[in-house]
Amino acid sequence: KQEVTQIPAALSVPEGENLVLNCSFTDSAIYNLQWFRQDPGKGLTSLLLIQSSQREQTSGRLNASLDKSSGRSTLYIAASQPGDSATYLCAVRPMDSSYKLIFGSGTRLLVRP
Amino acid sequence: KAGVTQTPRYLIKTRGQQVTLSCSPISGHRSVSWYQQTPGQGLQFLFEYFSETQRNKGNFPGRFSGRQFSNSRSEMNVSTLELGDSALYLCASSTSKVGYTFGSGTRLTVV
Repeated sequence: KQEVTQIPAALSVPEGENLVLNCSFTDSAIYNLQWFRQDPGKGLTSLLLIQSSQREQTSGRLNASLDKSSGRSTLYIAASQPGDSATYLCAVRPMDSSYKLIFGSGTRLLVRP
Repeated sequence: KAGVTQTPRYLIKTRGQQVTLSCSPISGHRSVSWYQQTPGQGLQFLFEYFSETQRNKGNFPGRFSGRQFSNSRSEMNVSTLELGDSALYLCASSTSKVGYTFGSGTRLTVV
C-alpha cells in the first residue's frame, strides 16, 4: 500500500531564506508526483508536476526533484517571501490503475517578514 | 482558460438531510475526481469518473455517491448527513499530461 510522508510537518523561516521541503513515498511504481500549495480554507493550487521519467521540474523560484528509486522528492523554494506562507502538499499517482492521488499530510510553512 | 468550478462554495445542512455538490471540469478534461479534506484525516479519495463511468471509489460508506454527465460535469451526493461529514470537498479534473487541477472546494458544515 502506497504511503506518502512529508517532513517537517511545520516550518517557520525568516524572509529571504532558501528552504527545502521533503516528501517520501513507499512504492516507486508511480506515474508522476505533483506538488500543491493550499492557503487556509482554499482549494489546492498545482505548483509542479514531475512525470516518472523526469528528474526535476522548475517554475520560477520553485524547483522540485524526483528520485523514484529512493522514493523521495524535494521542493526547493528560493528566496522565500511572506506570500509563500501556506501548506505544501505532495501527492503521487500510483501505477496501479486506481486513478487517484495519494497525498502526504503536508508541510505548513510560515515565512516571517 | 476557465479552471475547475465547484458550487456552492459553502453549505450548512442539518443531520439527516442530503446534499448535492457540483463540479465543472476544465474544458476537454474527461476525468473528474472527488476528495474529502478534514483536519484529522487529511485528503481522502472519494471517487473518480471518466466518460460517465466510475472507475474507482474510495473507502466511504454508500451514503456517498456521484455521477458524471456527458459534458463531463460531475455531481456528488451525500445522503443522511452525519456530523462527521463536515469537511471541505474538493473536485479535480485531470489529464496525464498536466496532472490534477483542483477547484476551490465546497465547505460543508453539518449541524
